Amino acid sequence: DSGVTQTPKHLITATGQRVTLRCSPRSGDLSVYWYQQSLDQGLQFLIQYYNGEERAKGNILERFSAQQFPDLHSELNLSSLELGDSALYFCASSEGLAGSRSSYNEQFFGPGTRLTVL
Amino acid sequence: AQSVAQPEDQVNVAEGNPLTVKCTYSVSGNPYLFWYVQYPNRGLQFLLKYITGDNLVKGSYGFEAEFNKSQTSFHLKKPSALVSDSALYFCAVREKAYKLSFGAGTTVTVRA
Repeated sequence: DSGVTQTPKHLITATGQRVTLRCSPRSGDLSVYWYQQSLDQGLQFLIQYYNGEERAKGNILERFSAQQFPDLHSELNLSSLELGDSALYFCASSEGLAGSRSSYNEQFFGPGTRLTVL
Repeated sequence: AQSVAQPEDQVNVAEGNPLTVKCTYSVSGNPYLFWYVQYPNRGLQFLLKYITGDNLVKGSYGFEAEFNKSQTSFHLKKPSALVSDSALYFCAVREKAYKLSFGAGTTVTVRA
């Protein structure tokens, strides 16, 4: 158990809908990362938050957004869903402060949310 | 351009034999390299990392990896594979802004 929790485990929805995925980082971790894993794209970095602020963006679509709350949990919002958005979405956390030694720390991954868009 | 490559989609070995999973990287500056393992329907689990120092890094579950700067490689190794090592293995490199870029993954099957 990595200490990172994600809810829900599974989500089935229809095209055009909007969903919210939730992540709670390990105790003490300030950085949260979101990744998408699909068969055709592999494991892709989406976005990173550190202590409530967006720090880095990857291949995240404009239809997707995220935020990190004062209690450090994070939510990934996916809207106007398309069939191609079906994937496993992972959250990871680390101590990670840019420029510090802790930024070399490994990321700990949650179990993921499997999203199926029908 | 891909920052990290795993040239083999699949690796098959017999239990008790040595296991090697290959990874090459392409980043400017000093690379920070990681190996993760993913079991079916599970999240990724950290195995080991190379930041600096000794080129041979020891990690969890008896795995180790050798950093080779001249060959830009970071191959994962285990001297004696177990059936329970069958899983999907990812090599990753930390890029700017501290995100990880992952290879495509290598499926390891260890037969009894």
